[in-house]
Amino acid sequence: SQKIEQNSEALNIQEGKTATLTCNYTNYSPAYLQWYRQDPGRGPVFLLLIRKNEKEKRKERLKVTFDTTLKQSLFHITASQPADSATYLCAYTGGFKTIFGAGTRLFVKA
Amino acid sequence: EAQVTQNPRYLITVTGKKLTVTCSQNMNHEYMSWYRQDPGLGLRQIYYSMNVEVTDKGDVPEGYKVSRKEKRNFPLILESPSPNQTSLYFCASSSYRLAGDQKTQYFGPGTRLLVL
Repeated sequence: SQKIEQNSEALNIQEGKTATLTCNYTNYSPAYLQWYRQDPGRGPVFLLLIRKNEKEKRKERLKVTFDTTLKQSLFHITASQPADSATYLCAYTGGFKTIFGAGTRLFVKA
Repeated sequence: EAQVTQNPRYLITVTGKKLTVTCSQNMNHEYMSWYRQDPGLGLRQIYYSMNVEVTDKGDVPEGYKVSRKEKRNFPLILESPSPNQTSLYFCASSSYRLAGDQKTQYFGPGTRLLVL
């Protein structure tokens, strides 16, 4: 079955460093992947969408890459800040169904 | 303000007592969906609706019902709740008529349900 895997271990980094989160997919070839941010007790908020032919997409301090050979998307936050601390979710929508990864918790220390 | 609203935000109930969680969006979106979120399992799709009177099962539909009689509303019904339905529930909406990043889903604030 279709599956999205994200590193379940929390990522701890120092303020100012670049955070890199990984999303791996298996058993399908998504046309695009989405990344969301979720704060505790709140609904996910959309950040970026990348299509399989885009390789890389940027928005302010955020960058997403899409490697169809490795079946992987990487999500980068440059110059990270404590306010970036949250859980980041990778998601795929195929047809009308959506599959989310379990998310990676990011902690940015001041 | 564009938003998805859910009610109630918190609910404690007992096994077998029917309940409904409401969801409403004001963005004229065709697509609406329900998810549950459990620790370590992430968001799992329960049901979705492509438009009025059109619904389909997601990955975990057992024990749930939905209806889509109006475009803006998509209630989630638990006919006979059980403790394993204790979870955090999210409603979301999206427009499939728009291209690009507009396919993204807008989520409600969540409903925390405890079934005793």
